[in-house]
Amino acid sequence: AQSVTQLDSQVPVFEEAPVELRCNYSSSVSVYLFWYVQYPNQGLQLLLKYLSGSTLVKGINGFEAEFNKSQTSFHLRKPSVHISDTAEYFCAVTSDSGGGADGLTFGKGTHLIIQP
Amino acid sequence: DAGVTQSPTHLIKTRGQQVTLRCSPKSGHDTVSWYQQALGQGPQFIFQYYEEEERQRGNFPDRFSGHQFPNYSSELNVNALLLGDSALYLCASSFLATPWEQYFGPGTRLTVT
Repeated sequence: AQSVTQLDSQVPVFEEAPVELRCNYSSSVSVYLFWYVQYPNQGLQLLLKYLSGSTLVKGINGFEAEFNKSQTSFHLRKPSVHISDTAEYFCAVTSDSGGGADGLTFGKGTHLIIQP
Repeated sequence: DAGVTQSPTHLIKTRGQQVTLRCSPKSGHDTVSWYQQALGQGPQFIFQYYEEEERQRGNFPDRFSGHQFPNYSSELNVNALLLGDSALYLCASSFLATPWEQYFGPGTRLTVT
């Protein structure tokens, strides 16, 4: 079984400042990692994913994340945020075996608040 | 290209009643997963369907059941509703070959009173 810890429930940031949202995971097997964004009253949209290869992955809307196996982390970063980035961000993990039938395990989310 | 659609958008039910939620997957997708998202929490995996069979199930009681139809659409049924079943129910679809790459619908907000 896997688990995900998002270390900050809320992150306030000024517009055009950089941001990092932290995610740590626990698993006894190799994993795939994901970041999703959820805007108010909407479903989840995939920002980026790590399956294998380069540990630095780039996603949509200028976001990127770095997989660190030794620290079991997958932190999300953006160099300059906009008001439109205000949303809930979820880190998720699934086992890379088992055919993906296990579903995704999500963290509790981090609310990113952009201040003008 | 139609994305994942869910119906209804909102639903209010009374304790003890039964509810059915519906999901149409993204065009071409053959696998459907259901998640429950309680207020202020991340989504929790309920189960996944492929070829009309339940492939895997999360830690949810038998009151939660599902079905997948030949056209890959799916239903989630919840019996004997409890107040704690109030949540946003999300459907996600994917290809069997890449089941981790899930596309989510907008969800159905269920309120149990």
